[in-house]
Amino acid sequence: DAGVTQSPTHLIKTRGQHVTLRCSPISGHKSVSWYQQVLGQGPQFIFQYYEKEERGRGNFPDRFSARQFPNYSSELNVNALLLGDSALYLCASSAQGGGNQPQHFGDGTRLSIL
Amino acid sequence: GENVEQHPSTLSVQEGDSAVIKCTYSDSASNYFPWYKQELGKRPQLIIDIRSNVGEKKDQRIAVTLNKTAKHFSLHITETQPEDSAVYFCAASKPGSARQLTFGSGTQLTVLP
Repeated sequence: DAGVTQSPTHLIKTRGQHVTLRCSPISGHKSVSWYQQVLGQGPQFIFQYYEKEERGRGNFPDRFSARQFPNYSSELNVNALLLGDSALYLCASSAQGGGNQPQHFGDGTRLSIL
Repeated sequence: GENVEQHPSTLSVQEGDSAVIKCTYSDSASNYFPWYKQELGKRPQLIIDIRSNVGEKKDQRIAVTLNKTAKHFSLHITETQPEDSAVYFCAASKPGSARQLTFGSGTQLTVLP
């Protein structure tokens, strides 16, 4: 079975642009979470979606938004990009939204802002 | 919110020795504690997890211990091998509708041959 897949793998943007990152969860998983990982740090929680509803939001500005589709795939959108948005964006899926379900990560999208 | 502190930030051991990484958490409501291994340029990989109703869990050369009273948990790797070299992250989450993991800052483990 395929794991969590993310696209694109790399992306270069300039300040002020917007970006859309995509994630497909493990087959059968209904929950998708997004994390930002800055070089040398642990991942930071951005959003969690379960059954197409937002279940949690981290401490990120409104420039960050996301959604989940009927097939449980998800998109992360970032508007008005800043240099500080340069990071590895990770998607993780789990079987359910709550409870102690393990989260499995994709390879991430490396976003560079020039 | 939850805060997770992880020590040490770097750890070098000789092949065959044991390695221990420690984490403390701030929110007593946290009840799920996974550990991830991240090799350079790769995804974080779940290697072991523990729930608050258990004090210790083992999987071959890897073990995790949890002290709920002191709010700390540790990763133990025995008989280390060069392929164990990576960055290890601890994390914590608490009950609720959102499965939000709060991560530690990571430990760079280097196993010297």
